[in-house]
Amino acid sequence: QKEVEQDPGPLSVPEGAIVSLNCTYSNSAFQYFMWYRQYSRKGPELLMYTYSSGNKEDGRFTAQVDKSSKYISLFIRDSQPSDSATYLCAMSVGNYQLIWGAGTKLIIKP
Amino acid sequence: ETGVTQTPRHLVMGMTNKKSLKCEQHLGHNAMYWYKQSAKKPLELMFVYNFKEQTENNSVPSRFSPECPNSSHLFLHLHTLQPEDSALYLCASSQDISLAKNIQYFGAGTRLSVL
Repeated sequence: QKEVEQDPGPLSVPEGAIVSLNCTYSNSAFQYFMWYRQYSRKGPELLMYTYSSGNKEDGRFTAQVDKSSKYISLFIRDSQPSDSATYLCAMSVGNYQLIWGAGTKLIIKP
Repeated sequence: ETGVTQTPRHLVMGMTNKKSLKCEQHLGHNAMYWYKQSAKKPLELMFVYNFKEQTENNSVPSRFSPECPNSSHLFLHLHTLQPEDSALYLCASSQDISLAKNIQYFGAGTRLSVL
């Protein structure tokens, strides 16, 4: 069993839709949760960072952590074609060793 | 621009060649990382340097040889590679490996093809 599971997609939605991206994990010691966005031919860039449980909002993006279910989500409201990218979840127990999901490819259709 | 620059962006090499990948960060960070990214697989951590000292070698084959002359520069020397080594190689940096909140900043990567 992988430490972090993430559906690879692709996930294709129309412009303006609400997008939900998810990861599940097995290690209950994870405390730090991240979402990175990776455009084609670019490196990953940090999008959202959350410590422990709860929600965090930044503009159109909301990150949610449910430690009891070992489940994290990223919601994108009013999705735009420019949001088309691969979204990677990553998590750690509190050190430099990030455990990564394989990424979900998201396509927003105009 | 992320503050982490990788060169070259693309590299094609034969199995007997020797080449090097270069990474430079302008963020004043003390930790640098090499990752391998293959299609539909999680990022694989290869090497970690903190204040120029190697702190992790994740069972990487010896045909990959890292070098960190200072906190701003990181190299990955390649020799006698195999076709399965074809992948995107990403360099990242962070403030310090000892911080619990470890935000890593990535370069654009080098797309390596081994023929």
